[in-house]
Parts: sequence; structure tokens; C-alpha cells
Amino acid sequence: GAVVSQHPSWVICKSGTSVKIECRSLDFQATTMFWYRQFPKQSLMLMATSNEGSKATYEQGVEKDKFLINHASLTLSTLTVTSAHPEDSSFYICSARGTTSGSIYEQYFGPGTRLTVT
Amino acid sequence: ELKVEQNPLFLSMQEGKNYTIYCNYSTTSDRLYWYRQDPGKSLESLFVLLSNGAVKQEGRLMASLDTKARLSTLHITAAVHDLSATYFCAVDFDAGNMLTFGGGTRLMVKP
Repeated sequence: GAVVSQHPSWVICKSGTSVKIECRSLDFQATTMFWYRQFPKQSLMLMATSNEGSKATYEQGVEKDKFLINHASLTLSTLTVTSAHPEDSSFYICSARGTTSGSIYEQYFGPGTRLTVT
Repeated sequence: ELKVEQNPLFLSMQEGKNYTIYCNYSTTSDRLYWYRQDPGKSLESLFVLLSNGAVKQEGRLMASLDTKARLSTLHITAAVHDLSATYFCAVDFDAGNMLTFGGGTRLMVKP
């Protein structure tokens, strides 16, 4: 149980275009989802926290107009990178936490999405 | 400021040897997590430590938590090549609202 999926697993896009990444909790209801970003050989940095039905809370330094997060249902959150630039190339990982998952203390991580902007 | 520091950041060791990775954090918390990450992959949960004195073991890995010292350790016993990966600790400072990650320890076990 407590499986989180992401789609796509990798994507290449041209500079200036937008890319949408989906994060789904497959077997539980995720009241909270988190979006992280990881550059090569670095740690995970929290970008934003989203609760179902409300606006996402962004970490300091993360542009909310560039990284649009929508958490429209208890099983789906999306991250849209708008007007992507090469510096947005990174590994994006989502996680989910919910009262019906295995443990209310755990975040369950998706497999990640590798974004390359050319 | 919420900080989580791991050391060492890089560890190269021979198979069969023992070693410990340390995770220090800046502010009181009794929820600490250890994860493994293989190259190009996401995180795999290893241990969840939820109280002072908690100790958990799985195979050649053992994790412990000392909340008074704000310290967690991940001990590796008789390392094998398959343990080569990057290990992260993460601390929940805010009762489930967010995790703050350490910088990671890249472990290479040489055969």
C-alpha cells in the first residue's frame, strides 16, 4: 500500500514552453502533497506544500507564478513549470501524506520526473 | 533556522567494514527519517524514528535517535557492494507539515 506515481518519468521540452507533471496517490487519499526539486548530487529542496482544495504554500525563493501547483482532488496534484528555461532542468519529486495511508507520520515519495529544458 | 547536517558527505569503504553516518539537527524534533537513493531514482524509505532512544534495524543497517543530543546515526555493519547509494536523513520539525533534508551521504562500497 501507499503507492505514489508520477507522470511523466522524464520529459524534454524547448525553452519557453510549459510542462505539466502529475503526482497521484494510487491507493490512499492524500490530504497533503509536497513537491521537491533535486539538482545533480544535491539534496532535496522543498518547493511547495499543497493541501487538497486550497492554494499551495511555496517555500521562500520559489516563484509561484512559474511553478503552478494544483491539488484538485485527494489523489492528484499537478506541478506546471511555465515558460521553462534550461536552469529549470532538474529532478522533480512529489510526496504524499494522508490519514488513510500506512502511517500518518510518513511521506510516500513518487518515482520522480526528470525535466530537461533545451 | 531549521538545519539538518549529515557527515560525512562522501564515504568510500571496503566490503566487510563497519561505519556510521551521523545526522545532526538544529531544533527539537522527535521524528526523523532515513532514506536511500540510488542514481537516477527516487527515495526509498529505510527507517522512521519517532521517539527518543528509538532503534531500528534492517539487515546490515541500524538507525538510532537521541532527541536530547539532536542526533541520529545510521550504522552499517559488514558493508557489501549493494549498499552503495546516497543516504539522506530528514527531520520533521513541524508535526508532519514538512521535511528538512540533510545534505546526503554518498556511500561507495568497494568489493
